[in-house]
Amino acid sequence: DAGVIQSPRHEVTEMGQEVTLRCKPISGHNSLFWYRQTMMRGLELLIYFNNNVPIDDSGMPEDRFSAKMPNASFSTLKIQPSEPRDSAVYFCASSSGTQETQYFGPGTRLLVL
Amino acid sequence: QQQVKQSPQSLIVQKGGISIINCAYENTAFDYFPWYQQFPGKGPALLIAIRPDVSEKKEGRFTISFNKSAKQFSLHIMDSQPGDSATYFCAASDGNTDKLIFGTGTRLQVFP
Repeated sequence: DAGVIQSPRHEVTEMGQEVTLRCKPISGHNSLFWYRQTMMRGLELLIYFNNNVPIDDSGMPEDRFSAKMPNASFSTLKIQPSEPRDSAVYFCASSSGTQETQYFGPGTRLLVL
Repeated sequence: QQQVKQSPQSLIVQKGGISIINCAYENTAFDYFPWYQQFPGKGPALLIAIRPDVSEKKEGRFTISFNKSAKQFSLHIMDSQPGDSATYFCAASDGNTDKLIFGTGTRLQVFP
């Protein structure tokens, strides 16, 4: 298995631009998680889906952030408009169920200038 | 109550030494305690996990010790190696959610 796939791996954009991060979970996994990692705040859960349905989005910072999972093999995290404070590494992870191992992707390193 | 407190923030150990990272929690509903290891430029990966029905779990050089009454658990790395240099995260969850509550991470550096 290829593991969790994320794209792009690196993104540099200017403040105010829209950013879309993409994730392909491991086939057969029914839970998908979006995390953000910064030095200041550590690893934060933004949102997670179960069977393509958003279950907990309490970690989404504000309305500028949105996430979708149109099918079992694809999810997006969108930031519009982006701000410099959104600069971070964004990870996608998937698992096969409650308290099962979460498999993380390689992350997308986002820099907003 | 949903927090998991992790210490120390950073740890420097000589090769062959024992590395110890501690975590504490408040939520008594937590019943699953994994540790994740993250190398620079990579995503975290599961290292070892424990449930509260046992007080200790060992996998190779890695051991989790669990103290239910104190609501604490710790990771011990025996015979630490330079290849163990990474950031370690403890986490916790209850059976009602897929959500993991992560600690703040410990950066371990093992010097030869």
